[in-house]
Amino acid sequence: AQSVTQLDSHVSVSEGTPVLLRCNYSSSYSPSLFWYVQHPNKGLQLLLKYTSAATLVKGINGFEAEFKKSETSFHLTKPSAHMSDAAEYFCVVVGVISNFGNEKLTFGTGTRLTIIP
Amino acid sequence: DTGVSQNPRHKITKRGQNVTFRCDPISEHNRLYWYRQTLGQGPEFLTYFQNEAQLEKSRLLSDRFSAERPKGSFSTLEIQRTEQGDSAMYLCASSLRQGREQYFGPGTRLTVT
Repeated sequence: AQSVTQLDSHVSVSEGTPVLLRCNYSSSYSPSLFWYVQHPNKGLQLLLKYTSAATLVKGINGFEAEFKKSETSFHLTKPSAHMSDAAEYFCVVVGVISNFGNEKLTFGTGTRLTIIP
Repeated sequence: DTGVSQNPRHKITKRGQNVTFRCDPISEHNRLYWYRQTLGQGPEFLTYFQNEAQLEKSRLLSDRFSAERPKGSFSTLEIQRTEQGDSAMYLCASSLRQGREQYFGPGTRLTVT
């Protein structure tokens, strides 16, 4: 079975400083990994995705993540935090795709990012 | 592009009542997913449609839950005899085909009193 573990439930950083949100995955197969962001009262939005191409993945709003197979990690980073980055972030894995083409997403428990002015 | 819409956005009901939620996916998206998100947790998969066919269901989907997608467009999720443990955010997502992004709606927040 596929799973992801988000190592921090809450991260606080000052505006303009780097952001690091940590995620470790477990998968018997070569996984597809995603980061989604959830702002209050808004739908989940895809930040970036890794699908076995380049290990360093760039996403929207200046975020990027690096797939490290040896460490089974997929940490999310941003060089400089902005107030608008305050939200809940989810690391997500898609493992085996069923015979019916079901690409169900398995979410981590989330990391709440707070930006200090 | 209207995105995925869900109605209602909020629903408060008394234990034992039936409730129905609606999801309108992005037009031409043939894949539709339902997820449930409880407080402090990530969303969990409930069920998957390809066009009008419900192809997979999670063990989370008890007999009190039923989902339909009658014409392969909008979908409904009904919960019968609601329980307090059903209180959660119910999310709908759609995608165009395998390997493409799932787009999420804003969710329906259910509170069972």
